[in-house]
Amino acid sequence: ILNVEQSPQSLHVQEGDSTNFTCSFPSSNFYALHWYRWETAKSPEALFVMTLNGDEKKKGRISATLNTKEGYSYLYIKGSQPEDSATYLCAFSRSARQLTFGSGTQLTVLP
Amino acid sequence: DTEVTQTPKHLVMGMTNKKSLKCEQHMGHRAMYWYKQKAKKPPELMFVYSYEKLSINESVPSRFSPECPNSSLLNLHLHALQPEDSALYLCASSQVTGGNLLSSLYNEQFFGPGTRLTVL
Repeated sequence: ILNVEQSPQSLHVQEGDSTNFTCSFPSSNFYALHWYRWETAKSPEALFVMTLNGDEKKKGRISATLNTKEGYSYLYIKGSQPEDSATYLCAFSRSARQLTFGSGTQLTVLP
Repeated sequence: DTEVTQTPKHLVMGMTNKKSLKCEQHMGHRAMYWYKQKAKKPPELMFVYSYEKLSINESVPSRFSPECPNSSLLNLHLHALQPEDSALYLCASSQVTGGNLLSSLYNEQFFGPGTRLTVL
């Protein structure tokens, strides 16, 4: 059984604050690490697919880093906005076919 | 069209009923997936179809029966379910690059909004 842990479980921040959360995963037989953003009653939306140690990806105010040797990835949100409120899921894979998801970090941005 | 659609949005069924969940995509993706998500838990992979053939079954009970009638459609047939099967059922699709089942590389998965299933 693969263990993918996300912390914190939930987070409340004020509008304009920057924030970050962690995904930790097994460091052996790494293939890829995915980040998804999931708003209530909507479909999970892919943010990043990261495959190389040291990868850093950015999409607007959201960025992510990857350390495959120690088995963690950070997701950063700069200048949080209420519309960033969602659950952020990471998913680890050892092959192209199968994703193992973490339980997610539920972010609430207060206006 | 970059959307994965799922019907119905909500389904309530008894333990003796037979029902089906449907998933559709028109992105030309040749890999399709069923996940199950219980409250406060991560989505768990159930089945993977690649080129309309079942490639992964994660030891799912036979009361769940997947079907991929063509490259755009994925069904999940439900029969004799238990109350503990109540969950959100998510469908996803992705490209398959590489050209064959053994060497294919799956890219990011596009998810539908899910079907909320309640078994009474």
